[in-house]
Amino acid sequence: SQTIHQWPATLVQPVGSPLSLECTVEGTSNPNLYWYRQAAGRGLQLLFYSVGIGQISSEVPQNLSASRPQDRQFILSSKKLLLSDSGFYLCAWSASLAIPSGNTIYFGEGSWLTVV
Amino acid sequence: GEDVEQSLFLSVREGDSSVINCTYTDSSSTYLYWYKQEPGAGLQLLTYIFSNMDMKQDQRLTVLLNKKDKHLSLRIADTQTGDSAIYFCAEKGDWNQGGKLIFGQGTELSVKP
Repeated sequence: SQTIHQWPATLVQPVGSPLSLECTVEGTSNPNLYWYRQAAGRGLQLLFYSVGIGQISSEVPQNLSASRPQDRQFILSSKKLLLSDSGFYLCAWSASLAIPSGNTIYFGEGSWLTVV
Repeated sequence: GEDVEQSLFLSVREGDSSVINCTYTDSSSTYLYWYKQEPGAGLQLLTYIFSNMDMKQDQRLTVLLNKKDKHLSLRIADTQTGDSAIYFCAEKGDWNQGGKLIFGQGTELSVKP
């Protein structure tokens, strides 16, 4: 069966420090991968998605970047964190849209980031 | 543009039925979803419905879709305290955008004993 792992689960970082959140998916190949952020107001905002290695689409301009160095690895980064980057970050995956099960998106357990 | 709206709060008594409502704007959406989020956790997929269906039932969960009014609802029968969580409605975005989901703001369900 497929599983998604995301880490670290919690981190507190000072303003101006770098960030790296990592996400890996097991049990599938060529997944679509997503990074969402959930701010205190509860809404979920799509930050990045990727349909293949090295293919990253950004939804909103921001202080963050994403990379997909391997098929099942998705990394969210920042060179210098801002206070406004605080939030709950969720990685998600779906199978290729070319097959029926590609219509469901599954989420990891999330990473809490507090920028101080 | 795409937009999904939900009421923010719902309170019910244990054993009653809960109905969580959602409206969406993208008439081309092929799939609509319900996710559950417990405090401090990720999102758990509860169920989804294909746009050519009117209803889908899965144990205590019933999803109703009114495509004409772009209205989706989730009914939870015999609501339990363990059902207390935030419930998100989501619609599937454009095919050429990686199949991303557009979420509502979530409805916080509070179940009182």
